[in-house]
Amino acid sequence: GDSVTQMEGPVTLSEEAFLTINCTYTATGYPSLFWYVQYPGEGLQLLLKATKADDKGSNKGFEATYRKETTSFHLEKGSVQVSDSAVYFCALTLYFGNEKLTFGTGTRLTIIP
Amino acid sequence: DGGITQSPKYLFRKEGQNVTLSCEQNLNHDAMYWYRQDPGQGLRLIYYSQIVNDFQKGDIAEGYSVSREKKESFPLTVTSAQKNPTAFYLCASSPGTSEGNIQYFGAGTRLSVL
Repeated sequence: GDSVTQMEGPVTLSEEAFLTINCTYTATGYPSLFWYVQYPGEGLQLLLKATKADDKGSNKGFEATYRKETTSFHLEKGSVQVSDSAVYFCALTLYFGNEKLTFGTGTRLTIIP
Repeated sequence: DGGITQSPKYLFRKEGQNVTLSCEQNLNHDAMYWYRQDPGQGLRLIYYSQIVNDFQKGDIAEGYSVSREKKESFPLTVTSAQKNPTAFYLCASSPGTSEGNIQYFGAGTRLSVL
């Protein structure tokens, strides 16, 4: 079945450090890929998405590129801030499927001033 | 403001009791979903509905029930058959493939057992 594997956390970085959170996927069709972010006590918010191979999603300084050859969608940010502290989820859905989202287990990110 | 409203924010259940979690959306989305989140785990799909008066079981439907009588509303009942209901419950909705299957989430309901 479809699955998403995320880098295990927690991840702790200093402010202005470079961030990478790894995400790889297994899917039987042609998935759309997403990164969602969850701040403490809140629901999930869409951070960025990519719907086909080689697409780059970007938002708020975060970027991720859909790599079909390596089945990956790694999240990157050049200079993190304390306000980026949250849990990040990688997810996929099959574009012509029933719209179910399959999530990774989440990566908790803490940024230290 | 358009969005998804979940209520209550916190809910307590006694042994043998059924409780209902509310989810309302004013985004005019056809599809709605319920997820369960446990500490250190990803989200697991409980039920989903792609159209009014129709819904399907997700990966962990046992001990839960839903209804979809109106487009705007998708309540989840946690029944006494669910032996481990303590979790954070998230409702989502989606406009479908027109927006690349993006799902929009509510703020969640935290359910605990007394």
